[in-house]
Order: sequence, then structure tokens, then C-alpha cells
Amino acid sequence: KAGVTQTPRYLIKTRGQQVTLSCSPISGHRSVSWYQQTPGQGLQFLFEYFSETQRNKGNFPGRFSGRQFSNSRSEMNVSTLELGDSALYLCASSRGPNTGELFFGEGSRLTVL
Amino acid sequence: AQTVTQSQPEMSVQEAETVTLSCTYDTSENNYYLFWYKQPPSRQMILVIRQEAYKQQNATENRFSVNFQKAAKSFSLKISDSQLGDTAMYFCAFMSSLNQAGTALIFGKGTTLSVSS
Repeated sequence: KAGVTQTPRYLIKTRGQQVTLSCSPISGHRSVSWYQQTPGQGLQFLFEYFSETQRNKGNFPGRFSGRQFSNSRSEMNVSTLELGDSALYLCASSRGPNTGELFFGEGSRLTVL
Repeated sequence: AQTVTQSQPEMSVQEAETVTLSCTYDTSENNYYLFWYKQPPSRQMILVIRQEAYKQQNATENRFSVNFQKAAKSFSLKISDSQLGDTAMYFCAFMSSLNQAGTALIFGKGTTLSVSS
């Protein structure tokens, strides 16, 4: 069965712009979470959605937001981009909360100039 | 707050050898999950092995096994008969079993493993 699909894979933006990233989870998975990966900070949890509701949120500013649709697909948005937002953004899906295993997508590589 | 520490930024090993990656963590919880994830150069994160804290038996998956020492809060990964395809960054991760924590993973900084022929 198809894995977690993230689009776009690569994108370049300039400071002050906003960006929307998309994630389609594995069929049947209802929980989607997002992570930011940078060389300096490593992998950091952004937020998690389950049944269209945000269940948990990491320590990121309000410029980072997300949502989940009724088909479990999720989007995350970053507004007023800063240079430090350049990162690999990973999406992961699971059957539900506390199931103990996440399946990751290949990520969206964001470069902010 | 929980933390995960991987003290070996880089390791190298030859094919067919055995290598052990270290991970320590800190938590006040009694029940939780621990994971090792592998991220090859293509960047997709793949689950290598998972351990539930309430299980005393160490998890094994083919050539991969863990040494889970709950009291010491240690969770090392042993790779036996290393293969070139094992070259990747390996992340140790913690997941709380508390309902409000959802599926949030806390990752270590990672260990880059290079396997050479």
C-alpha cells in the first residue's frame, strides 16, 4: 500500500513569504504529525492532528500552523518566513494516538532566501 | 521534560562486523516506548526496532537488537553482520504513553553510521 506522501518535495521561498506543505497519510491512518529537521536543532516535533483536531503542539511560534481534513490529509503552513525556517519538514502518520509506531514521508525541503 | 541523548555523532564499521549505537534518555514515567529509526541518505525515516518499557525482554528484528536497561535509562542498538545498506543516520526516540502526549516523538541528535567494504 502507498506510503506517506508529501508535496512539494523541494521549494524555495524568500523571507516574509508564506508556505503551505501537504501530507497524505497511509490509508486508514488517522493521526498525522509534523517534524522539523535542521542540522543544528535536529528533529523537533511541531504538532499532531487526529480526527481533524490538534492533539499536541511543540514549542514553535504561532507562525507555524496546521490542519487536518476529513480524509486525514494534513497541511502545515508557515507564515512570514524567516531564514531559520529553512529545514526538512517531515510528516508522519499512524493509526491513532499512542499506537507506538510512526511512518514517515520523504519530507519537504524548504529553503528560505 | 523528557530528553534523549546519543553520545556518538559518528561511527564507522566494516562489512560483516558488529556495531553498537548508544542512547540514554531521561523520563519520570514508568510506561513509554523507545524506538530506533534509520534515515538513509534518501532521507525517508524507517523504523528499525521498537521497545515497550513494560516488556523486560529485549526486542530483536533480524540483525538488529537492543539492550534495554530500564533502571539505567539506556537503550542501545546492536547491528550484527553490518551491510553497506546499513549506512545511514540512526535516531533514538522516546514516546510517552500518556494520552495527552499523543504520538509526539522526542529524538536524539542522531548517530551517522558508515559501513565500508
